[in-house]
Amino acid sequence: NAGVTQTPKFQVLKTGQSMTLQCAQDMNHEYMSWYRQDPGMGLRLIHYSVGAGITDQGEVPNGYNVSRSTTEDFPLRLLSAAPSQTSVYFCASSYRLRSGANVLTFGAGSRLTVL
Amino acid sequence: GQQLNQSPQSMFIQEGEDVSMNCTSSSIFNTWLWYKQEPGEGPVLLIALYKAGELTSNGRLTAQFGITRKDSFLNISASIPSDVGIYFCAGFDLFMIKAAGNKLTFGGGTRVLVKP
Repeated sequence: NAGVTQTPKFQVLKTGQSMTLQCAQDMNHEYMSWYRQDPGMGLRLIHYSVGAGITDQGEVPNGYNVSRSTTEDFPLRLLSAAPSQTSVYFCASSYRLRSGANVLTFGAGSRLTVL
Repeated sequence: GQQLNQSPQSMFIQEGEDVSMNCTSSSIFNTWLWYKQEPGEGPVLLIALYKAGELTSNGRLTAQFGITRKDSFLNISASIPSDVGIYFCAGFDLFMIKAAGNKLTFGGGTRVLVKP
């Protein structure tokens, strides 16, 4: 089992460029999500998906798009990168505890710098 | 919206000592999770807590679900250098199932460093 695989690990973009962060999981988890991590801000939810074909916004969705055509993949798209999007991005998939909470399994992260 | 306050924001550990950190919430949770993030990696689940008063251990780590359901504590006993990293708490309550697709609320993290 590879778990959650994110690519690329590092990326440098110029303002206005677009790119896609890839995320794939092989655990057959229904729930997938994207977070960004900034110093002193903890983990903030960008978008999430509760299953193939279903996506919704998290706390900080502006400037990002997602789609979920398969259970395994959940790419994150930056349509026009801005310096404020410089961050470390984490993809996560999850199974559900008996309490209803989702236990997230995180990828290793993608460090994005926008110049 | 819900907020989780995690403290301290950072701490220095000396090998062999016990340390603790905590999270407090503005509202009630029914699940608390503790994660550890090592440099260059994603967070990894350490402990999950399901009910008020619960005390759960994972090796030298012990976490407790506060009686009020608004707080949780993580203790590390007999620290070793590999304990360095960022520790995150995360909370969940049943309201989130409908309101936010089962998402967790994360604390800001406690950065654990080794005393020079």
